Parts: sequence; C-alpha cells; structure tokens
Amino acid sequence: GNSVTQMEGPVTLSEEAFLTINCTYTATGYPSLFWYVQYPGEGLQLLLKATKADDKGSNKGFEATYRKETTSFHLEKGSVQVSDSAVYFCALSPMYSGGGADGLTFGKGTHLIIQP
Amino acid sequence: DGGITQSPKYLFRKEGQNVTLSCEQNLNHDAMYWYRQDPGQGLRLIYYSQIVNDFQKGDIAEGYSVSREKKESFPLTVTSAQKNPTAFYLCASSRGIGELFFGEGSRLTVL
Repeated sequence: GNSVTQMEGPVTLSEEAFLTINCTYTATGYPSLFWYVQYPGEGLQLLLKATKADDKGSNKGFEATYRKETTSFHLEKGSVQVSDSAVYFCALSPMYSGGGADGLTFGKGTHLIIQP
Repeated sequence: DGGITQSPKYLFRKEGQNVTLSCEQNLNHDAMYWYRQDPGQGLRLIYYSQIVNDFQKGDIAEGYSVSREKKESFPLTVTSAQKNPTAFYLCASSRGIGELFFGEGSRLTVL
C-alpha cells in the first residue's frame, strides 16, 4: 500500500537557520505530493504541492522538489523565522484517486521549533 | 469569507454518551472528510463523502457515524462504541486531487 515517512521530531533550530525536513514515499505510478502545515491549535493548511516528477512546489519561502528516482519530497527553507514553528505533514495522493482525496495518505508529522 | 466551520471547538463527554461534531462548508466542494489526529500518529481517515447522500468508511470508521443530507454539511457522531474517543477531530473538504481545506478542529475529551 501507499505510505509516507517523515523524519522524527521535534526539530529545533535557531532563527535564520537553513531547514530541511525529509519526506520519502512508497506508491505505485506517479502520485501527487503535498506539504501541509499545522499551527498550534489550528487545522492544516496546504503549504505547497507538486503533481509530477521534477516539479518544484514553493510558497512562503518554502520549497520542495518531486524526486521520482529517490521517491522523495524534502521540504526546505533558506532562513527560518520563529513564526515558522508548527507541525509539517507530508502527504501523497495516488495516481488513480478518482478526483477526490479518498486515498490521501499523510506522514506522521514533524514538529518544528524555531528559537529566537 | 469562504471556509470550513467546525463546532464546538472543545467538547467534553461522559463515557457511554454519543456526541455529534458539526462541520459546515461554504466552498461549494463536493467532497468532505473527517480525520482523527492523535499525538505522534498523524491523521487517520474516519469517513469521507464525495456526493450528497453517499459516504464511505475510511481506515478507522468503527464507533463513528456520519450523514450527508446537504452538500454543505457533514456531521460526525462519536458513539459510545468508540473505545478511545479522546482526540482532535478535523473536518476537510476538497476541490481537487489532494488539495484539502481544513476546519480548525474540535477537541473531544472523555471524562
């Protein structure tokens, strides 16, 4: 079946540090890949997405590249801020999900803590 | 503004009671979902519905029930059969593959 594996947290960084959160996946074909962010006490928000190999998703200074050869979709940011502290979820939607998210698979989430 | 509204934000339940969590959306999305979130376990799908009057079980449907009588509404009932109901519940809707819009969640605590 499909699965998403994320690095265990919490990840603690100082402000302005470089961020990488690793995400690898197992799926057949070419799934769509996503990063969602959850701020404390809130629901999840879509951060970025990529729908085919070598696509790069980007938003709010975050980037992730869909690497088919390594089945990865690592999240990066060049200079993090305290306001980036949140839980980040990697997710995939299978190639044949019928147009809805019935097959959306989430990783367990990575808690990011940015210290001033 | 368009979005998803969940209520109540916090709910306390005694053992043996059923409780219903409300989810309303004004995004005109056909598909709606309920997820359960527990610390360290990510999100697990409880039920989903792609059209009115139709819904499907997700990975952890036992002890839960839903209805979808209107496009805008997808309430979740946590029944007394759910053995460990204390959790954070998230409702979402979708306009396309994987692009989910989430409510702010409802935190249920069993006393």
